[in-house]
Amino acid sequence: GQQLNQSPQSMFIQEGEDVSMNCTSSSIFNTWLWYKQDPGEGPVLLIALYKAGELTSNGRLTAQFGITRKDSFLNISASIPSDVGIYFCAGRASSNYQLIWGAGTKLIIKP
Amino acid sequence: DSGVTQTPKHLITATGQRVTLRCSPRSGDLSVYWYQQSLDQGLQFLIQYYNGEERAKGNILERFSAQQFPDLHSELNLSSLELGDSALYFCASSEALSDARAEAFFGQGTRLTVV
Repeated sequence: GQQLNQSPQSMFIQEGEDVSMNCTSSSIFNTWLWYKQDPGEGPVLLIALYKAGELTSNGRLTAQFGITRKDSFLNISASIPSDVGIYFCAGRASSNYQLIWGAGTKLIIKP
Repeated sequence: DSGVTQTPKHLITATGQRVTLRCSPRSGDLSVYWYQQSLDQGLQFLIQYYNGEERAKGNILERFSAQQFPDLHSELNLSSLELGDSALYFCASSEALSDARAEAFFGQGTRLTVV
């Protein structure tokens, strides 16, 4: 079946640092979505990507749809305390309508 | 506010009992997804409905069932509850099945505690 690997599993960073995380798929996806989840809350959509090579920004967040259509990246610039949380990627292939989810990247800011 | 409403927000029940979780999708969304999230775990896909019909099934136990009604709201029924069923249960909705409308919007979740 389709698998989606998200890395890193967790990140410990200093406030002000840039952050990078990525997701790779075993198959081609037509859609990549990035979400952030705060503790006890539902995931919130950050960025949606629909074209290979597409680069989209949302404030300090930038995500890219890999040209192979098997990966996607999320970058956060100049991290701040409210960036703490779990970031999930999700992708969908054209062969079915299911969203496949990564296991999440937990972002922790060192005091 | 995502526009997806889940009730109840919290639920505490005993082992062996049955509960029903309710989800109202965003206005106009035809697709509803149910997910289970155990403590510090990722999102486990349970089931998806589109316009009243089941479209996809994930790792949903036989003790669990769901349905989507003509008004598009959905219910997740959990029966013969076990301690391990304690988790956050999320509902999400999306406009359609096509790629251009793949974004899923999540509710605030129902925290189920089985004691």
